[in-house]
Amino acid sequence: DGGITQSPKYLFRKEGQNVTLSCEQNLNHDAMYWYRQDPGQGLRLIYYSQIVNDFQKGDIAEGYSVSREKKESFPLTVTSAQKNPTAFYLCASSIGIAGVLGTGELFFGEGSRLTVL
Amino acid sequence: QKEVEQDPGPLSVPEGAIVSLNCTYSNSAFQYFMWYRQYSRKGPELLMYTYSSGNKEDGRFTAQVDKSSKYISLFIRDSQPSDSATYLCAMSSSEYGNKLVFGAGTILRVKS
Repeated sequence: DGGITQSPKYLFRKEGQNVTLSCEQNLNHDAMYWYRQDPGQGLRLIYYSQIVNDFQKGDIAEGYSVSREKKESFPLTVTSAQKNPTAFYLCASSIGIAGVLGTGELFFGEGSRLTVL
Repeated sequence: QKEVEQDPGPLSVPEGAIVSLNCTYSNSAFQYFMWYRQYSRKGPELLMYTYSSGNKEDGRFTAQVDKSSKYISLFIRDSQPSDSATYLCAMSSSEYGNKLVFGAGTILRVKS
């Protein structure tokens, strides 16, 4: 079955530690995204990538880093510089940047919940 | 002021009721309007998509866009307990490179 796989589902981190969240897709989509979801707030874009070896900052990129070495993979590192990292993180992909092909459809993974102890 | 405002709820209705979910927005440049449904502890999935103004119907769901009022709605007819979820509105425009701006989401509970 095609889809997006995020791991781990739950992660606990001590303050001062970096952690990496995995995101893999087998939909052959060019564009991939990382969003953060907090209670009472909408999804906020952290980083996105339209093609391999290229990515752009979203609205809340500070304290995060990404890489896009393969089309299928877009890992997110939450660094110790991120002041409030406890959140639900969602990875998504699309055929192209939302709206360009008229569908706007993002396909989401099931999310990773990060808790800082 | 947020670009997209959405009442977080929770909205609780009896099974069979008509549900109305709404979002308002401030940027008149938005052209693409979407509704996503998110079940608890899952990722969102696209429910409805509308370009510019007008109505779109898909089964029990109807999406409406009123660009003059900067207001979009999702109607659910004959609501079912399986409709219980968080509903997120989202919108985009070529000005933003077509990146989506999401509302906070409305929690809907349909009681059997």
